[in-house]
This record gives sequence, C-alpha cells and structure tokens, in this order.
Amino acid sequence: GAGVSQSPRYKVAKRGQDVALRCDPISGHVSLFWYQQALGQGPEFLTYFQNEAQLDKSGLPSDRFFAERPEGSVSTLKIQRTQQEDSAVYLCASSLGVDSGYTFGSGTRLTVV
Amino acid sequence: GNSVTQMEGPVTLSEEAFLTINCTYTATGYPSLFWYVQYPGEGLQLLLKATKADDKGSNKGFEATYRKETTSFHLEKGSVQVSDSAVYFCALMKTSYDKVIFGPGTSLSVIP
Repeated sequence: GAGVSQSPRYKVAKRGQDVALRCDPISGHVSLFWYQQALGQGPEFLTYFQNEAQLDKSGLPSDRFFAERPEGSVSTLKIQRTQQEDSAVYLCASSLGVDSGYTFGSGTRLTVV
Repeated sequence: GNSVTQMEGPVTLSEEAFLTINCTYTATGYPSLFWYVQYPGEGLQLLLKATKADDKGSNKGFEATYRKETTSFHLEKGSVQVSDSAVYFCALMKTSYDKVIFGPGTSLSVIP
C-alpha cells in the first residue's frame, strides 16, 4: 500500500488479556521497527526487523512482549498478560534502509483496564 | 549511550511569531539528525533531516542546521501559523539500519 498500515486503530484490553497488534509495512521495505509511545512522551524503541530476521529486541520491556515477521512483510507485536503500564500507542515504521528517515503508521492505541 | 534532549514545552506563540525549538544530542560518530512532527490525532511525519555536519534541512518553512561543534540541531521557522500547532520531536539515527532515537517532544500551540 501507499503507507504503513496498523490495526486495530484502538484496542481496549482487560488486565491479564493477551493482545496482538498488526503492522503492514510499505511494500518492499526491508526494515521494520516497533516503538512504544506513552502519553506525553517520545517514542521508545522496542524491536527491529530486517526482512524476517529480528536483529534487535533490546527495547522489549519484558518477556511478555513478543514480535514476529515470518515472511519479511507483515509484522505482529504480541503482548501477553497485559498490565496497566502497557497502555500506550504502539507505532510501527518501515524503511528501505537509506538515510531518509522512516515512514510511520498511525499507531495502535492500547488501553489496559 | 545515544540520546536526544529537547527544550521543554509547551510552547505557545502568536501567529507570525518566530519559532525556535532547541535540540541537542549525544552520540558517537556522525549520526543523521531528524525533526518529526505529530499533528493532533495523526501519526509521526518526517519534517526534515540532515545527514552530515553543516547540512541544513528545510521543509514547509522550517529549517534546522546540523552543528557538530555544539551537537545541536535547533528547529526554526520565521513565521508560524495556527496550522503548525503540533508536537515536534528531534531524533537521531546512527546508521541506515539503526533505530531512530527520539527526544521527548515539544508541544507547540500557535494562537491567532
């Protein structure tokens, strides 16, 4: 597609519930990033894929967070046993890999109640 | 480690006022520097970038110059409009395949 598409746009989860957030990057983009943006703060890096390989997952806050990109295109960020502190906007970005910055999706706003 | 610091907001300006949002960074080597903008209810958009020292990025009347000697990348605009109201993020990236590191953001409100 023309841009990075994320779904769902909004998600409300009860504490303890598992959630899955989807990212459709721009076709052909090799690099894919996930970020977490808490209210009033800048995005914080979670994880990075180059094609299907997860090259950096140093930003994942706990082992409840898991990301995959099995065919090198669509990516899913899964959060198990959600907690209130997981409430944030989750942003996905993709890039061809040149020094032009990244194209961000509109994000998924997760609210854990 | 690599980090970005921005002036705290919120910043409130009258229309046609001059805007400066300060940004300084800490990084080894020669990172690429960016300004992203987030309009209300929208996703992050790249506003401008600079990839080496003394480069000037510009877009939509905004400018920022990569100053290696002061490790700064201040955002400026000569005459702001109400439509410029948004949150502005300074950011850096070490290499083409590295993660983008964002500052905390500066909220700008422009009043008529």
